[in-house]
Amino acid sequence: GESVGLHLPTLSVQEGDNSIINCAYSNSASDYFIWYKQESGKGPQFIIDIRSNMDKRQGQRVTVLLNKTVKHLSLQIAATQPGDSAVYFCAEKGAGGSYIPTFGRGTSLIVHP
Amino acid sequence: KAGVTQTPRYLIKTRGQQVTLSCSPISGHRSVSWYQQTPGQGLQFLFEYFSETQRNKGNFPGRFSGRQFSNSRSEMNVSTLELGDSALYLCASSLAFEVPYEQYFGPGTRLTVT
Repeated sequence: GESVGLHLPTLSVQEGDNSIINCAYSNSASDYFIWYKQESGKGPQFIIDIRSNMDKRQGQRVTVLLNKTVKHLSLQIAATQPGDSAVYFCAEKGAGGSYIPTFGRGTSLIVHP
Repeated sequence: KAGVTQTPRYLIKTRGQQVTLSCSPISGHRSVSWYQQTPGQGLQFLFEYFSETQRNKGNFPGRFSGRQFSNSRSEMNVSTLELGDSALYLCASSLAFEVPYEQYFGPGTRLTVT
């Protein structure tokens, strides 16, 4: 498959565990944040988003937490499954009215059966 | 419904040549964005088109250009290719370009410059 990144931080978990993937964003004025999942050989896939006026948002098996004080974003995946294995990265946008997204470098999640 | 399609999927070019990549958005989507993904720089925004107009542009040299047609299909062109242009080029479509919106990515075109 496609290699989307070398030397990415890696998180290895056992199937059924909860996973937490972290992202430090760069611009304190960003007002919209998105988490993407990218499997080998595929384009990024939207997982969940959050606006800056929220600090938590939940989806199906996923929760995003936003800490604007320290410019930190996290993605929690409950009951991680082998199909969750992929590269995950965050994106920020909206600073200064610009909607040009800035992407994090990504974290490789490996789920062991 | 059909997803975002990109052609070709793989391409090998020589330095100095030019290349044109094509993207067909999801039916009904009028916004198309292009991104470059490399191991060294990660995912970087190239430009975004909406209703045939470029709405936003990333920090790339003028060798990178694009356009959008009336049916929302988009093409990007890279002239005078350099080795550093080797990358996965991704296209994403969405209904609009205002926040918030969900972007749907295509599988990408892998460009190798030799």
